Amino acid sequence: DSGVTQTPKHLITATGQRVTLRCSPRSGDLSVYWYQQSLDQGLQFLIQYYNGEERAKGNILERFSAQQFPDLHSELNLSSLELGDSALYFCASSVFGYAQGDTIYFGEGSWLTVV
Amino acid sequence: GIQVEQSPPDLILQEGANSTLRCNFSDSVNNLQWFHQNPWGQLINLFYIPSGTKQNGRLSATTVATERYSLLYISSSQTTDSGVYFCAVARLRETGTASKLTFGTGTRLQVTL
Repeated sequence: DSGVTQTPKHLITATGQRVTLRCSPRSGDLSVYWYQQSLDQGLQFLIQYYNGEERAKGNILERFSAQQFPDLHSELNLSSLELGDSALYFCASSVFGYAQGDTIYFGEGSWLTVV
Repeated sequence: GIQVEQSPPDLILQEGANSTLRCNFSDSVNNLQWFHQNPWGQLINLFYIPSGTKQNGRLSATTVATERYSLLYISSSQTTDSGVYFCAVARLRETGTASKLTFGTGTRLQVTL
């Protein structure tokens, strides 16, 4: 158990819908990262928050958005869902704001299936 | 961006055999981690090893930062070692920040009885 909690574990939804994935970081960690893992793209970095502020942005679509709340939990919102958004979405956390010199721990992921 | 290459892409071993997985990266890094993704999709931290050598039970890892590669050794493999092994790195950017891990494409390991 990494200490990073993600909900829901599995989600099936229809095209055009909107879903919210939730992440609670490890106790004491200030950074939250979101990654997407699909069969054809591998593990792709989406976005990072540190202590409530956006720190780095990767290949995140405009239909997707995220935020980190004052209690440090984070939510990833996916809207206007398409079949190609079906993937395993990971949240990860670390103590500091930089990946340098900081072990990053991953949650168990949220499996999203868009039908 | 930084490129991360892992080899071999696929590996089949009999239980009890040893193996070496390799990770090459294209630039200087300040973070290198090895992960095991089990058949249920969980990503499990194995090592944080930007340089040097570490051991944890049957697993050990060595990173030679100056030559831009890392090796993961699995000894006396067990069926529970099956899954995909990922190497991930973070590079210090010009601005002095590095905020993401870039993953390799992984080595898929199958350990058979």
